[in-house]
Amino acid sequence: TQLLEQSPQFLSIQEGENLTVYCNSSSVFSSLQWYRQEPGEGPVLLVTVVTGGEVKKLKRLTFQFGDARKDSSLHITAAQPGDTGLYLCAGGKNSGGSNYKLTFGKGTLLTVNP
Amino acid sequence: GAVVSQHPSRVICKSGTSVKIECRSLDFQATTMFWYRQFPKKSLMLMATSNEGSKATYEQGVEKDKFLINHASLTLSTLTVTSAHPEDSSFYICSARLGGRETQYFGPGTRLLVL
Repeated sequence: TQLLEQSPQFLSIQEGENLTVYCNSSSVFSSLQWYRQEPGEGPVLLVTVVTGGEVKKLKRLTFQFGDARKDSSLHITAAQPGDTGLYLCAGGKNSGGSNYKLTFGKGTLLTVNP
Repeated sequence: GAVVSQHPSRVICKSGTSVKIECRSLDFQATTMFWYRQFPKKSLMLMATSNEGSKATYEQGVEKDKFLINHASLTLSTLTVTSAHPEDSSFYICSARLGGRETQYFGPGTRLLVL
């Protein structure tokens, strides 16, 4: 079983603060995906990173894939209340056909207080 | 693009009845669809992987006879919860993957409540 450790599990901050969420594993993934989920809805894809060392930016969000493709981070600058939600990282491993799976981290429940 | 729909969004049923949940990829053909279960404020737990035209692959601990999966076309997969019990109450989410791509696109989920 491939384990993807996500931390912190809970994070409550004030508007305007910065934060970083980490996902770490001892396994190599072919891709790492970050999702954001609001209560009662499905996860919404934020980004997919596939190359070791890759950095992607999405407005105030910066995603990084580790050089060895075993870890990733999500950094949010100047958090806003609208960023509140459950953030999920998921590592993909494609062995071909039905063996492809996403391994999810436990999630980070972020609350940004006004 | 890459929209996945689920129906129904919410369902309440009596214990012992069966419930069918549909997952459709609206603007792409999904060679593989996945079914997840999620408990409140928890992460997603993969139940099974469904490939079009073949039998689903179930994760360890998931009962095949209880959670029947059919992937009859490249745009539709169904999950049937048979003889539902209150402990089956949960949030069920499907996702679809376009062949060759790494990304999965998720449906909006179905809230099942078994009384």
